[in-house]
Amino acid sequence: QVQLVESGGGVVQPGRSLRLSCAASGFTLSPYGMHWVRQAPGKGLEWVALLWYDGSDEKYADSVKGRFTISRDNPKNTLYLQMNSLRAEDTAVYYCARASHANGWYADYWGQGALVSVSS
Amino acid sequence: SYVLTQPPSVSVAPGQTASITCGGNSIGTKSVHWYQQKPGQAPVLVVYDDSDRPSGIPERISGSNSGNTATLAISRVEAGDEADYYCQVWESSSDHVVFGGGTKLTVL
Repeated sequence: QVQLVESGGGVVQPGRSLRLSCAASGFTLSPYGMHWVRQAPGKGLEWVALLWYDGSDEKYADSVKGRFTISRDNPKNTLYLQMNSLRAEDTAVYYCARASHANGWYADYWGQGALVSVSS
Repeated sequence: SYVLTQPPSVSVAPGQTASITCGGNSIGTKSVHWYQQKPGQAPVLVVYDDSDRPSGIPERISGSNSGNTATLAISRVEAGDEADYYCQVWESSSDHVVFGGGTKLTVL
């Protein structure tokens, strides 16, 4: 069955970098788009980034554009989120999710999330 | 940027029908997707493309979309339906995913 497992979360100081990983099993990443979605403590869902199904394009929320990069390693079947210049407001649980597309992108399977805490 | 508006909370008695709305400018022209999130858990897709259900989602859960409002309806509500529910669209003009603010469903 489809499974997504995030790792790499933790406590990091403002201005530093962190890389999240999302290991996929039960399906092959390459023909699918993939999302990162975050949720600040006690808040709602916020979309972060989308990697196109063929890896040809990336889209980012305005709040992270220029600081975060989404990528994948097909042989490792793993998705990444490189987060640079982290800010306190980036503190959240980060979910990776498989993207499906019909009349627009949505997320059909989600991981359990990785907590990122940005604090001095 | 495109905005989706949900009521912060909806309350319903067991066995009744809960309706959760998602408002947006001409949202009827977009595909709306809905997620259920229980405390401490990841979101789960419950409706996609306005009214389709993934396998394993009960028929009690349904969606509709027209004009400026999309609606998620849960009939014969059970205690296990208590959760936060989020609507979502793809905004093609900006190539962004947009989530509503979420609605907390309370079963009385």
